Amino acid sequence: DAGVTQSPTHLIKTRGQHVTLRCSPISGHKSVSWYQQVLGQGPQFIFQYYEKEERGRGNFPDRFSARQFPNYSSELNVNALLLGDSALYLCASSRQGDTEAFFGQGTRLTVV
Amino acid sequence: AQTVTQSQPEMSVQEAETVTLSCTYDTSESDYYLFWYKQPPSRQMILVIRQEAYKQQNATENRFSVNFQKAAKSFSLKISDSQLGDAAMYFCAYRSLFGNEKLTFGTGTRLTIIP
Repeated sequence: DAGVTQSPTHLIKTRGQHVTLRCSPISGHKSVSWYQQVLGQGPQFIFQYYEKEERGRGNFPDRFSARQFPNYSSELNVNALLLGDSALYLCASSRQGDTEAFFGQGTRLTVV
Repeated sequence: AQTVTQSQPEMSVQEAETVTLSCTYDTSESDYYLFWYKQPPSRQMILVIRQEAYKQQNATENRFSVNFQKAAKSFSLKISDSQLGDAAMYFCAYRSLFGNEKLTFGTGTRLTIIP
């Protein structure tokens, strides 16, 4: 089975622009979570979606938004990009009732 | 809010030796989950081992074991017979038993294996 896939793998954007990151969960996984990992730090929770509904939101500004589609894939959107948004963005999926989160390889976003 | 602290930014160990990575956490909850994740240069986080707080027995997965001290809020990872492939960043993480699936991570420990 394919693992969690994220696209693109790398991205360079200019300050003020908008970006959309995509995530496809493992087949059968209905929960998707997003994390931001700044260089040298541990991942920080941004959102969790389950069955297309938001189940949790971390301490991030409203410039960050996400959604989950009927096929359980997900998008993370960031508006008005700042230099500080440069980070590795990780997506994780999990099966209902299972505590293990399976991570993708992330999208490396650089804001210049 | 829960916090996770990893006080060892870097550790090194000789191949085939044993190393212990430290993690402490703070919570007011009585039941929760604790995890150790490995992040190699490929960037993909991989689950190494998990512990349910309501289980007193320490979790073990092959060469990996934990020392879970609930009263001290300590959760260390022991790697036995270290191998070159163990070189990576290791993150300790906390998850509540109820509510959403948010993982709270520590800042990580970079483990180097010396041949």
